[in-house]
Amino acid sequence: GPKVLQIPSHQIIDMGQMVTLNCDPVSNHLYFYWYKQILGQQMEFLVNFYNGKVMEKSKLFKDQFSVERPDGSYFTLKIQPTALEDSAVYFCASSRGLGYYAEQFFGPGTRLTVL
Amino acid sequence: GDSVTQTEGLVTLTEGLPVMLNCTYQTIYSNPFLFWYVHYLNESPRLLLKSSTDNKRTEHQGFHATLHKSSSSFHLQKSSAQLSDSALYYCALSDGGSALGRLHFGAGTQLIVIP
Repeated sequence: GPKVLQIPSHQIIDMGQMVTLNCDPVSNHLYFYWYKQILGQQMEFLVNFYNGKVMEKSKLFKDQFSVERPDGSYFTLKIQPTALEDSAVYFCASSRGLGYYAEQFFGPGTRLTVL
Repeated sequence: GDSVTQTEGLVTLTEGLPVMLNCTYQTIYSNPFLFWYVHYLNESPRLLLKSSTDNKRTEHQGFHATLHKSSSSFHLQKSSAQLSDSALYYCALSDGGSALGRLHFGAGTQLIVIP
């Protein structure tokens, strides 16, 4: 089936540094999402993105977070600067459309460790 | 706010026995959509099945679930567990009030099927 890829699978960085997480969504999908999962906790919505714009973001999407998808390339999540509490697995997802009829396809996640 | 509760963190079953994983939800919206995602180790979470109308059963790959608005539940069932069913199962809610695709996830239930 359709696959979402995420690069890298693991990232270890020092607190205060910048990190960019990359997502290669399904090719004909138009809507893109990031979810965050802290170890032992549930997956939580961060943001969704369509037509070059953030459509909705949660309170977890801090000012240090930004997303973009320049010219149909990777959909990225940038954190600058990072904090210890940003350590988590970040899942990217994409869908053709919205709501009930638009299945979200997930990537395998990027495990981010902030030291 | 919207939330999903999965009461069992871990379920261990002998192969051939029936599976039932609990999922209840809370939302102010009258038309919620519920989903079950399955997450195998080292793979991406993928959609297993999604709710239909109230009190209607939906089935996929031997699993089934019925949305019961009266009890705010969407429990996942299977008549006979197989070793290959061992995975992490997430129940997720789309409240329908947000047309923007945000999913609210439960904490997940780890299912282990033993011979």
